[in-house]
Amino acid sequence: DAGVIQSPRHEVTEMGQEVTLRCKPISGHNSLFWYRQTMMRGLELLIYFNNNVPIDDSGMPEDRFSAKMPNASFSTLKIQPSEPRDSAVYFCASSYRPPNYNEQFFGPGTRLTVL
Amino acid sequence: GDSVTQMEGPVTLSEEAFLTINCTYTATGYPSLFWYVQYPGEGLQLLLKATKADDKGSNKGFEATYRKETTSFHLEKGSVQVSDSAVYFCALYMDSNYQLIWGAGTKLIIKP
Repeated sequence: DAGVIQSPRHEVTEMGQEVTLRCKPISGHNSLFWYRQTMMRGLELLIYFNNNVPIDDSGMPEDRFSAKMPNASFSTLKIQPSEPRDSAVYFCASSYRPPNYNEQFFGPGTRLTVL
Repeated sequence: GDSVTQMEGPVTLSEEAFLTINCTYTATGYPSLFWYVQYPGEGLQLLLKATKADDKGSNKGFEATYRKETTSFHLEKGSVQVSDSAVYFCALYMDSNYQLIWGAGTKLIIKP
């Protein structure tokens, strides 16, 4: 199994630009999580999908952030417009509901730099 | 609410030293407990877990015992290696919730 796949691995953009991060979960997993990691705030859960449906987006910082999961094998996290404070590493993780729902498998992350 | 508290880092040790990273939790029920590890430039990966009181999780020489009486899940290793240098995250999971509750992470630096 290839594991969780994220692209791009690195993204450098200028303030005001749209940024789209992509994630392919592990085949057969039906839960998907987007996290943001920074030195200041640590690891933050942004949004959680179950069976492609957003269940909890209370961690999404503001309306500039949106996430979609059009099918079981693909999700996107979009920031429009981007700001320098959005600079962080964004992780996607997936898991399979019972019996091992509580084990999340993380992708390698996308390091976003907004200038 | 549920929470996890880890010792602050960085923790710096010499190779072959004994390691302890403290983790305590607050939960209203009976959570499952986890240690995840993040190597430089990578995502988090599960290191070990314990699902009920007195369970001991172990992997790659690391161990942690689920202590209900002290609400703790301390990570230990008898002899660390340079390759163990990473950030270690303690986390809990409740069946009534869908998400892991994460500690802040502890950076471990092992010097040769």
